[in-house]
Amino acid sequence: NAGVTQTPKFRVLKTGQSMTLLCAQDMNHEYMYWYRQDPGMGLRLIHYSVGEGTTAKGEVPDGYNVSRLKKQNFLLGLESAAPSQTSVYFCASRTPQGTYTGELFFGEGSRLTVL
Amino acid sequence: AQKVTQAQTEISVVEKEDVTLDCVYETRDTTYYLFWYKQPPSGELVFLIRRNSFDEQNEISGRYSWNFQKSTSSFNFTITASQVVDSAVYFCALSGDSSNTGKLIFGQGTTLQVKP
Repeated sequence: NAGVTQTPKFRVLKTGQSMTLLCAQDMNHEYMYWYRQDPGMGLRLIHYSVGEGTTAKGEVPDGYNVSRLKKQNFLLGLESAAPSQTSVYFCASRTPQGTYTGELFFGEGSRLTVL
Repeated sequence: AQKVTQAQTEISVVEKEDVTLDCVYETRDTTYYLFWYKQPPSGELVFLIRRNSFDEQNEISGRYSWNFQKSTSSFNFTITASQVVDSAVYFCALSGDSSNTGKLIFGQGTTLQVKP
């Protein structure tokens, strides 16, 4: 049971390039999230999804797009990367609120550097 | 709006000392959940504990204990007899029921360094 898997683990981009981070979970979770972690700022929510075909903005959505075409996958895209998007990105999933409000299950993180 | 504040940015202790990590939260939800996560130097996020707003009973698990007080909106975490392996960043997080999105709001994190 792999849990939550993120690819790639590391990536270096030049300003203006585009890329997609893939998150895959095999726990049949409805809810999925993308967070970014920056020093001294904790984890901040970028976008999230409460089910297949749905997405919503989080706290810091600008410069990112997401898609949830399949229940198990949640993609995070950067159309034109900027140095301010240098960060560690974490994907997470969980069961729906109210069913059993369990913890988030996190991927291992993806370290992105934009030069 | 929901908010989690971890006022302690960094804490340094010597092994075997007890250490308490503070967490203060803000929410208008009557039903909510509080969490603690640990992030060791390897970078992964490890779930430690979850508490719901109706359960103020404090909990002890080995060297870890948690003190939840609704009156002061605090959910503090204590490590007894700290060890070098406890060195990590610790995050407190909050999830409220009203939005029905399940998203967690995280504090800024507290970096704990335990010296031998």
